[in-house]
Amino acid sequence: GQNIDQPTEMTATEGAIVQINCTYQTSGFNGLFWYQQHAGEAPTFLSYNVLDGLEEKGRFSSFLSRSKGYSYLLLKELQMKDSASYLCAVRDQDTGFQKLVFGTGTRLLVSP
Amino acid sequence: ETGVTQTPRHLVMGMTNKKSLKCEQHLGHNAMYWYKQSAKKPLELMFVYNFKEQTENNSVPSRFSPECPNSSHLFLHLHTLQPEDSALYLCASSPHRGSYEQYFGPGTRLTVT
Repeated sequence: GQNIDQPTEMTATEGAIVQINCTYQTSGFNGLFWYQQHAGEAPTFLSYNVLDGLEEKGRFSSFLSRSKGYSYLLLKELQMKDSASYLCAVRDQDTGFQKLVFGTGTRLLVSP
Repeated sequence: ETGVTQTPRHLVMGMTNKKSLKCEQHLGHNAMYWYKQSAKKPLELMFVYNFKEQTENNSVPSRFSPECPNSSHLFLHLHTLQPEDSALYLCASSPHRGSYEQYFGPGTRLTVT
């Protein structure tokens, strides 16, 4: 089966650091993605991990441990505009086609 | 226009109506996707087209009928929908179906009454 778990909601204050966790169980694995989605807008690509370790991109970093089926997205120096939903998605090669399987998303609220 | 566009942005339809959602991508991509996003549920892949050919149908009811006349345009034809079909329908594209990054459109918010 396929299962991706992430917290439903998180809150943090401006300037702080927040870590959003994602655990997954899929029949195949060929990469993990993080997307950001502001209310009423399209999801936008943030990061991609296929090997274990940390990928850093400005204020955002993403970590992957394939053996643990675990990833996190780290957001530093939080800004109000970071209030959004963060979607974890795994590329699962189940039937020969590599499709993205999404979690329900974590809604992050950044307060002043 | 740049990126992926979708029209209409909002649609209200009765269960006996027929309507179509349109998606257009201006990125020169060859793969296009339809996703459904319901409240408190994960994004669900519905259909995939690669070079205008349908390569994936994720067990979607036949009241949803996709059409891909060329690599830039994707339609989702709707007929005799149910209230539970109310959701945000997102279109996405990627250079090809194996590409790791997908670019999403803003979605069509569909309400079935």
